[in-house]
Amino acid sequence: QVQLVQSGPEVMTPGASVKVSCKASGYILTTYALHWVRQAPGQRPEWMGRINAGTGDIKYSQKFKGRVTITRDTSASTDFMELSSLTSEDSAVYYCARGGWEQLDHWGQGTPVTVSS
Amino acid sequence: QSALTQPASVSGSPGQSITISCTGSSSDVGGYNYVSWYQKHPGKAPQLMIYGVTNRPSGVSSRFSGSKSGNTASLAISGLQTEDEADYYCASYTSSSGLLFGGGTKLTVL
Repeated sequence: QVQLVQSGPEVMTPGASVKVSCKASGYILTTYALHWVRQAPGQRPEWMGRINAGTGDIKYSQKFKGRVTITRDTSASTDFMELSSLTSEDSAVYYCARGGWEQLDHWGQGTPVTVSS
Repeated sequence: QSALTQPASVSGSPGQSITISCTGSSSDVGGYNYVSWYQKHPGKAPQLMIYGVTNRPSGVSSRFSGSKSGNTASLAISGLQTEDEADYYCASYTSSSGLLFGGGTKLTVL
């Protein structure tokens, strides 16, 4: 069955960078796009970016452009999302999710990231 | 960045039907048939309930249905059950911002 397994919780200091991984199993990673979405407590989900199937083309949200980097290790069936220059407002649960623009059909379990001095 | 507007809360009794609206603009909801709905229980990852405005993934109850009129999409749930109590989020593709999510609606089953 399709599974997306993310790396564990992170506690970061302001100004640092965090890198979250998302390992896919049960399907071939490059056959579906993979998105990154975060949700802070009490807030709406925010789309951060996605890496396309096949071509590996990457599109970022304007809000995070310049601070977020999405990469892929095809041999490890793993995608990564790195967010830099962290502030307390980046404290959230970060999710990876498989799918196209019309649907995110499988989600990782989420990675809590806490930014605190 | 504009946002999709949902009611903050809706409620219903077991067996009743409810509808949750999601209002956007011609740049997102009204412009594309890329509206999806997600159910989220506390501490869990979102689950896809409706995609492509009206389509239901396999395994999702037929009590859930989606529709769209103009710039407003809707999620309807019939025959409410206690396990339907959750937060519901709509999402839409927008050419300028990728995916846009609604503010979420808390469904209470009384």
